[in-house]
Order: sequence, then C-alpha cells, then structure tokens
Amino acid sequence: DAEITQSPRHKITETGRQVTLACHQTWNHNNMFWYRQDLGHGLRLIHYSYGVHDTNKGEVSDGYSVSRSNTEDLPLTLESAASSQTSVYFCASSEGPEQSPYNEQFFGPGTRLTVL
Amino acid sequence: QQPVQSPQAVILREGEDAVINCSSSKALYSVHWYRQKHGEAPVFLMILLKGGEQKGHEKISASFNEKKQQSSLYLTASQLSYSGTYFCGTEGWGGADGLTFGKGTHLIIQP
Repeated sequence: DAEITQSPRHKITETGRQVTLACHQTWNHNNMFWYRQDLGHGLRLIHYSYGVHDTNKGEVSDGYSVSRSNTEDLPLTLESAASSQTSVYFCASSEGPEQSPYNEQFFGPGTRLTVL
Repeated sequence: QQPVQSPQAVILREGEDAVINCSSSKALYSVHWYRQKHGEAPVFLMILLKGGEQKGHEKISASFNEKKQQSSLYLTASQLSYSGTYFCGTEGWGGADGLTFGKGTHLIIQP
C-alpha cells in the first residue's frame, strides 16, 4: 500500500546542531508540505514543494530549509537548531497540479523534536 | 492570515450534535477540514470549494459561505469515535501558498 513515512519519529538534539528530518511518500504525489505543530498554534506551514526542484517558503520558514531532488522525498533541515524549534513536525503530500480542487493532504505520523 | 475557529472546545454526550465554525479574513478558494486524535496525524474529512462542490466524509457535513468567508462543520448524532481536535485549513485564490490552518477545536464525546 502507498504511504507516507517520517524518520526519525523522535529526536533529541542540542542547540546549534544541524538536524535533518526525512519524509518519504510512495503515492507519487507532486505536492509535499512540512508543518510544525505547537500547543496553542495549530499547524503552521514551514515549506512546501509542488514538484521536483520546486520549493517555497511558508509562514514560519526562518531557520529551516528543504530541497526536492525526486518526487518521493522532501527532507527538512534545521540549519542550527534552536530551543524554539522544539515541536512536532508533520510532513504531508497531495496530488498535483497545485490548484487541483481535490487536493486532500495525507499526513505522515510526525516527528517529535526536542532541542536542548 | 490564520482562520479563526469556534468554539475552542466542546463537550457532548454521545448522540448529540455539534457545529464547528471557521472564519477567515481573506477571500477563500477552498476550505479543508481535518480531524486529529491525540498523538496521531491529522486525517482528512472534507473539502469545500467556492461554487459549492464538496468532497468528503459520509456522516459529516459542512457548509461554505463564500460571501462571509466562513465554513461550518456539522457532526450529527455524535459517536465516541468523533472525539479529537478538528482543524480547518483555508486556501486563498491562486492556491499557490498552501493551506493555512486554524488553531483547532477540541471535541470530547462522553458516553
């Protein structure tokens, strides 16, 4: 069955370290998204991609980067982790094109990141 | 801008009805609804499009008032399995900036 996976599921790191969170989907979806979820804020969009080599900044992109070298993967990198980036991170994917009216998003299981 | 959801939380008895509202300050192309249970990923419920098209869940309905930029999710004859946090996600015209989610509505269904 097609799916979307994230790894690791839990990560503890130190301030200043570079961290990469993996997201892999097997639906062959064009669109992929990264969100962070914090108490009281809901889901906030970090970065998104509408296809290979396409990346776009979301609402809370500072301190994060992504690259899309193939359809299946959109890794999220924290260049220099900060305590404010402690959060639960969700990856999601949806069919393209980006303006399709039936763009339901399928979410991965999430990664809980703690920055000490 | 982030849509505003109301109420923030609601507690119901099994079998009762609930309405969750989502309001935006910008013109909307579509509204998406997701449900998230504690410790799990959000799961798609419904999409409502400008013009009245819908795609979604069998036992859950929703409305989209384009003029007021509001959407409401209707949960009828609630079941214990409906408990969770409900999020609306809005998409503006152009659709090129992804979804903006509200802060969520916590729904607790008691037996």
